[in-house]
Amino acid sequence: NAGVTQTPKFRVLKTGQSMTLLCAQDMNHEYMYWYRQDPGMGLRLIHYSVGEGTTAKGEVPDGYNVSRLKKQNFLLGLESAAPSQTSVYFCASSGTPQYSPLHFGNGTRLTVT
Amino acid sequence: QQQVKQSPQSLIVQKGGISIINCAYENTAFDYFPWYQQFPGKGPALLIAIRPDVSEKKEGRFTISFNKSAKQFSLHIMDSQPGDSATYFCAPRAGGTGRRALTFGSGTRLQVQP
Repeated sequence: NAGVTQTPKFRVLKTGQSMTLLCAQDMNHEYMYWYRQDPGMGLRLIHYSVGEGTTAKGEVPDGYNVSRLKKQNFLLGLESAAPSQTSVYFCASSGTPQYSPLHFGNGTRLTVT
Repeated sequence: QQQVKQSPQSLIVQKGGISIINCAYENTAFDYFPWYQQFPGKGPALLIAIRPDVSEKKEGRFTISFNKSAKQFSLHIMDSQPGDSATYFCAPRAGGTGRRALTFGSGTRLQVQP
């Protein structure tokens, strides 16, 4: 049981380049999330989805777009990368019951130069 | 607005000692109060959680104490072990919003010395 899988694990981009981060979960979870983690700031919510075909903005959505065409996948896109987007990105999913925990992937470390 | 304030930022405890991490919140809509544990190179994982209808929950060496009137909750780790060395996050959630997302504190790096 893989749980939540994120690809790639590491990536270096130049300013202005674009890329897509892929998140896949095999737990049939309805809810999926993208967070970024920066030193001393905890994890901040970028975008989230409450089901296949739905997406919504979190606290720090600027510069990012997402799509959830299939229930098991949640994609995070950076159209024009900026140094401020250097961070560790975590994807998570959770099930339908009211107090289901979030299950996190192991993160993608992105550096924008 | 900083909705969740976690302290201390870092903590060094001797093996066998008690580790205490505190979390203060402002949003009265929070209705679920978990603590997550994160090891280097890994994503956070649920450690223990409490709902506001109880004041304390214990699971093995880990205890959450909850004070609704003070809008605070804390994590106590009894008989701390080197394997507990990790970063801990409080991450309360506002129910009724539909999104189920957590609001993370800034984290506490715990080091348990042998």
